[in-house]
Amino acid sequence: QVQLQQWGAGLLKPSETLSLTCAVFGGSLGGHHWTWIRQPPGKGLEWIGEVNHSGDITYNPSLKSRVTFSVDTSKTQVSLELSSVTAADTAVYYCARTSGYYRMYLDLWGHGTLVTVSP
Amino acid sequence: EIVLTQSPGTLSLSPGERATLSCRASQSVGSSFLAWYQHKPGQAPRLLIFGASSRATGIPDRFSGSGSGTDFTLTISRLEPEDFAVYFCQQYGNSPRTFGRGTKVEVK
Repeated sequence: QVQLQQWGAGLLKPSETLSLTCAVFGGSLGGHHWTWIRQPPGKGLEWIGEVNHSGDITYNPSLKSRVTFSVDTSKTQVSLELSSVTAADTAVYYCARTSGYYRMYLDLWGHGTLVTVSP
Repeated sequence: EIVLTQSPGTLSLSPGERATLSCRASQSVGSSFLAWYQHKPGQAPRLLIFGASSRATGIPDRFSGSGSGTDFTLTISRLEPEDFAVYFCQQYGNSPRTFGRGTKVEVK
């Protein structure tokens, strides 16, 4: 059974860089897109973007200038970096997998990582 | 981007009752690329429905999805105790993918 495990720093100061990793256990990166999503407290979900094992990336235009995705196929991990964070970036961050390369709904999610930005 | 509006924000019902949740898109969702997810506190969200009406693997048949274009509905025919949760819709046909803000189904 494929599982996603996420980790990263949970407390950041303004202007720092958020860094999260999502590891895939029991499966490979191929055949799917790997998606990052966040949910600020009391707000809806925001799609950050998606990446596949080949490194093809689509970012949400709203965050594109600050976001970087990377892929490590040898470790079956995908990573997210978000630079110059502010309090508005405080959120639970999720990684998720699309069902297939062309089936873009999300059939597997991580449990989420709470990231708080505070002076 | 496509804005998804879910209603109601909260639905207060009793076990055994029928739940009807709405998701309305600001523009047509091509090829019914709409999904529904269930989210319980402290858990990973769970895919329920994709393609507007197809149940995901292992999802009980009391969950059903319908709709096309801009209007979509998730119906839970008879609420079980484990169904009280937040439900959100997502369109995945256009980039950026977008989500509704969710409907909380709570015990009346």
